[in-house]
Amino acid sequence: AQSVTQPDIHITVSEGASLELRCNYSYGATPYLFWYVQSPGQGLQLLLKYFSGDTLVQGIKGFEAEFKRSQSSFNLRKPSVHWSDAAEYFCAVGPYNTDKLIFGTGTRLQVFP
Amino acid sequence: EAGVTQFPSHSVIEKGQTVTLRCDPISGHDNLYWYRRVMGKEIKFLLHFVKESKQDESGMPNNRFLAERTGGTYSTLKVQPAELEDSGVYFCASSPQGRGEQFFGPGTRLTVL
Repeated sequence: AQSVTQPDIHITVSEGASLELRCNYSYGATPYLFWYVQSPGQGLQLLLKYFSGDTLVQGIKGFEAEFKRSQSSFNLRKPSVHWSDAAEYFCAVGPYNTDKLIFGTGTRLQVFP
Repeated sequence: EAGVTQFPSHSVIEKGQTVTLRCDPISGHDNLYWYRRVMGKEIKFLLHFVKESKQDESGMPNNRFLAERTGGTYSTLKVQPAELEDSGVYFCASSPQGRGEQFFGPGTRLTVL
């Protein structure tokens, strides 16, 4: 069955610290992978996506993610977290061509000053 | 360019009542999706329109849910009659033909009492 696992429900970091949010997936075909962020009162915003090519992808707001096929993982990273990064982060997998996305349960990030 | 908009932002109704949610996709986007997030769980796909046609409605929970997209523009999702388990946040997303990225709206929070 196709699924996405985000093992961390809630993460707290200090501002300026590094961040890694974990995502593991189970998908039969070649996966297309996404990270979305939802800030309070906002819609889901795409941070980055992986379709093919370089397994380290850069996104907006200083985020990056690395696709590791052998581990079925697509972890999101940021070297230095800002208070404005406090939000909920969702990993998703799906086919490229405009079809349904399968989401993880989300990781809520709290940032302390 | 205006983003995906959803109305209302919040709705509180009693069990047995009817509620209609509306989604206006980004202009020119042929693909429109509905998703739902029940509290604490993952965001789940409900259905996918291509223009005015239902491409995939495999995620619709039961026949109390009716989605329409007349004229291939905005879409409505009606729940009749609403049950307690229908509470959650309903997201709408749209994408242009041939693109993998879905653009999400802010969601409608539905509470059924």
